[in-house]
Amino acid sequence: ETGVTQSPTHLIKTRGQQVTLRCSSQSGHNTVSWYQQALGQGPQFIFQYYREEENGRGNFPPRFSGLQFPNYSSELNVNALELDDSALYLCASSLRDTEAFFGQGTRLTVV
Amino acid sequence: GIQVEQSPPDLILQEGANSTLRCNFSDSVNNLQWFHQNPWGQLINLFYIPSGTKQNGRLSATTVATERYSLLYISSSQTTDSGVYFCAVETGNQFYFGTGTSLTVIP
Repeated sequence: ETGVTQSPTHLIKTRGQQVTLRCSSQSGHNTVSWYQQALGQGPQFIFQYYREEENGRGNFPPRFSGLQFPNYSSELNVNALELDDSALYLCASSLRDTEAFFGQGTRLTVV
Repeated sequence: GIQVEQSPPDLILQEGANSTLRCNFSDSVNNLQWFHQNPWGQLINLFYIPSGTKQNGRLSATTVATERYSLLYISSSQTTDSGVYFCAVETGNQFYFGTGTSLTVIP
């Protein structure tokens, strides 16, 4: 049990729709990172938020956006969903530049 | 960006055997972690090890940052060790996961 909670656990959306995924960070952590893991691959870094500001971004288009709230929980928003967005989405929380702990993930299917 | 390669990609062991998993990275990193991903997708923390050696029960890890590699040792393997093992590195606020090692331990 890491203390990092993601919701929902599973989600089915139609191509072109928008989706919001949520992550509650572990108590005391001020940094949240999001990852996309396609089937059979390693997680790919989407972006990181530190104290409500985006602090680093991977190679993902602008339709992937995020927020971090004052309580350090976070949202990942994806607009104009594509079939290739089907994946496991993972969030991790940490204190900056220290060990990261992952949630159980949200499995998104785009049809 | 930084390249993170893990070897071997696949490994099948008899229960009780020992193994070494390797993680090579192409540039200096600030942090390095090892994870075990269970069949449900949960990433379980094994080690936070930017440098040096750590041990936790049957598992141990060594990172030689100057030579850009890390090793994960599993001794007396058990069927519950099966799954995918990832190393992940952080540099310049970018995080990179390795390609993973899929381990199967057979009774």
